[in-house]
Amino acid sequence: GQNIDQPTEMTATEGAIVQINCTYQTSGFNGLFWYQQHAGEAPTFLSYNVLDGLEEKGRFSSFLSRSKGYSYLLLKELQMKDSASYLCAVRDLALSGGYNKLIFGAGTRLAVHP
Amino acid sequence: EAQVTQNPRYLITVTGKKLTVTCSQNMNHEYMSWYRQDPGLGLRQIYYSMNVEVTDKGDVPEGYKVSRKEKRNFPLILESPSPNQTSLYFCASSSAGGGEQFFGPGTRLTVL
Repeated sequence: GQNIDQPTEMTATEGAIVQINCTYQTSGFNGLFWYQQHAGEAPTFLSYNVLDGLEEKGRFSSFLSRSKGYSYLLLKELQMKDSASYLCAVRDLALSGGYNKLIFGAGTRLAVHP
Repeated sequence: EAQVTQNPRYLITVTGKKLTVTCSQNMNHEYMSWYRQDPGLGLRQIYYSMNVEVTDKGDVPEGYKVSRKEKRNFPLILESPSPNQTSLYFCASSSAGGGEQFFGPGTRLTVL
């Protein structure tokens, strides 16, 4: 079956570093996305990993280990505006019909405190 | 500006009264999807479309219909809404199946 797990909530202090983990089980892994979603707003794209390793993009980095079914999103120099939900989503290769499905985790709500 | 638009943004209705939520994208994307988002459950796909006149069910299609008569538009139809369809709905488009999703602003629907 398909399953994506991430912590429900996390808290961190302004200026600190936080790591949000995501573990997944899918039948045909073909990439992993991280999205940021502020309360009441649409998700916005943060990063995409398809190969093992670390992808760095400014204050945000994302890591993938395909053999372990594991990814993390690393947020450095936290700012108050980083308070949001972070969604892990896995791209699953089509079993048939040519459509590669995107499966979302329930999201991790991050609260950044002064 | 590249964008996905949805209307209405907020809707309160009553059980059984048919409604349509419109979705339009200006990025010439072939793929479009509808998701619903409920607390603790994350985003769940309702329907998707791979191109004009090509649609298929997602994970939670019961009680919903869609159509794709033009590439830019992908309306979501609730023929007979029920209270369990109270949710936050997002339309999204992408250039590839399961690719980076560009989301609309969301429609918050309440069915009484």
